[in-house]
Amino acid sequence: GQNIDQPTEMTATEGAIVQINCTYQTSGFNGLFWYQQHAGEAPTFLSYNVLDGLEEKGRFSSFLSRSKGYSYLLLKELQMKDSASYLCAVRVGRSDYKLSFGAGTTVTVRA
Amino acid sequence: EPEVTQTPSHQVTQMGQEVILRCVPISNHLYFYWYRQILGQKVEFLVSFYNNEISEKSEIFDDQFSVERPDGSNFTLKIRSTKLEDSAMYFCARIWGQGHGELFFGEGSRLTVL
Repeated sequence: GQNIDQPTEMTATEGAIVQINCTYQTSGFNGLFWYQQHAGEAPTFLSYNVLDGLEEKGRFSSFLSRSKGYSYLLLKELQMKDSASYLCAVRVGRSDYKLSFGAGTTVTVRA
Repeated sequence: EPEVTQTPSHQVTQMGQEVILRCVPISNHLYFYWYRQILGQKVEFLVSFYNNEISEKSEIFDDQFSVERPDGSNFTLKIRSTKLEDSAMYFCARIWGQGHGELFFGEGSRLTVL
């Protein structure tokens, strides 16, 4: 099976930076996803890392180290609307998009 | 971003009743996925469907569940005899592009079993 760990909650101030860590233990790793999920809504795709390194998309960046089983999502210039749950998910196997999700990190942005 | 429409947005049913949840992609595609999320819990994989056949399914996807693509467009998840623990959000998902790795979720159908 897959074991995916991420912090339960984080709080930050508007305009600040927050880094959400995710560690995983899995076999047949083939990529790591980050999703944003507001309460009562569907997960929204943020990033997909399959190779080591940092990928940047505007205010959001995602990093992957496959040797360490570690990823982080970096949120810059936080806005109130960034208050949400952030889900780390691991893809296992090449032939399918079966994802194993972490429990999610609830980020609260305060003014 | 590809659109995936799910109906109904919310369904309330009595335990033991059959429920059909629908997923309608805007453009034709071969791969579809169903996930579910019980309130306050993780998103969980249910089943993947490729070219009108089940590609992979999880332990959750037991005999009471089935998937179909009855008319070549709509993609359905049927729960034959609902149980209280089937109450959850059910998400249809599809891949955007060829091997780009972007798995997009529909808005979800909330199922409440009484």
